[in-house]
Amino acid sequence: EAQVTQNPRYLITVTGKKLTVTCSQNMNHEYMSWYRQDPGLGLRQIYYSMNVEVTDKGDVPEGYKVSRKEKRNFPLILESPSPNQTSLYFCASSFWGPYEQYFGPGTRLTVT
Amino acid sequence: TQLLEQSPQFLSIQEGENLTVYCNSSSVFSSLQWYRQEPGEGPVLLVTVVTGGEVKKLKRLTFQFGDARKDSSLHITAAQPGDTGLYLCGGAGSYQLTFGKGTKLSVIP
Repeated sequence: EAQVTQNPRYLITVTGKKLTVTCSQNMNHEYMSWYRQDPGLGLRQIYYSMNVEVTDKGDVPEGYKVSRKEKRNFPLILESPSPNQTSLYFCASSFWGPYEQYFGPGTRLTVT
Repeated sequence: TQLLEQSPQFLSIQEGENLTVYCNSSSVFSSLQWYRQEPGEGPVLLVTVVTGGEVKKLKRLTFQFGDARKDSSLHITAAQPGDTGLYLCGGAGSYQLTFGKGTKLSVIP
């Protein structure tokens, strides 16, 4: 089954404790992206990757890192999480470019 | 950053009614995508419109892309409770997808 998987689905952590949210797709897609969704602000892009080893900042990249060492994986790293990073995070992928994206099920992160 | 204004933000209607959701911008997009999101799940693509003036139909849903490729609309005919959800429009640039804030639709039986 074609899908985008994210882990964990739910995470509660404390300020400053480094964490990684994993994202994997099995569709051989070149483009992958991370978004955060907040009430009243909608979906905002954090980082995107056009292909392996090619990543770039989206609209809200501060406090986040990404890497794309393999085509199928695109982890999101929070080196020192803060409460304002409490949000619902989505990973998405598409065959090429920001077109017709497949979204993962989401990761709900709470930073206390 | 390109901005997309979506309206209305909330919509509550009776089953069988028609409705239209609007997505407007001052920027030109290479394509406009509509997604639907249900609680606890990720957005799911409904349709992509690419050509100015394009109209696409998906059962009771009609999507239109403005002639200047800056705006789009989604019209639902005879809404059903199963149409309930968050509708998102996304404008694609060269590398990024910019979303509107969404329209939360509730269809009351």
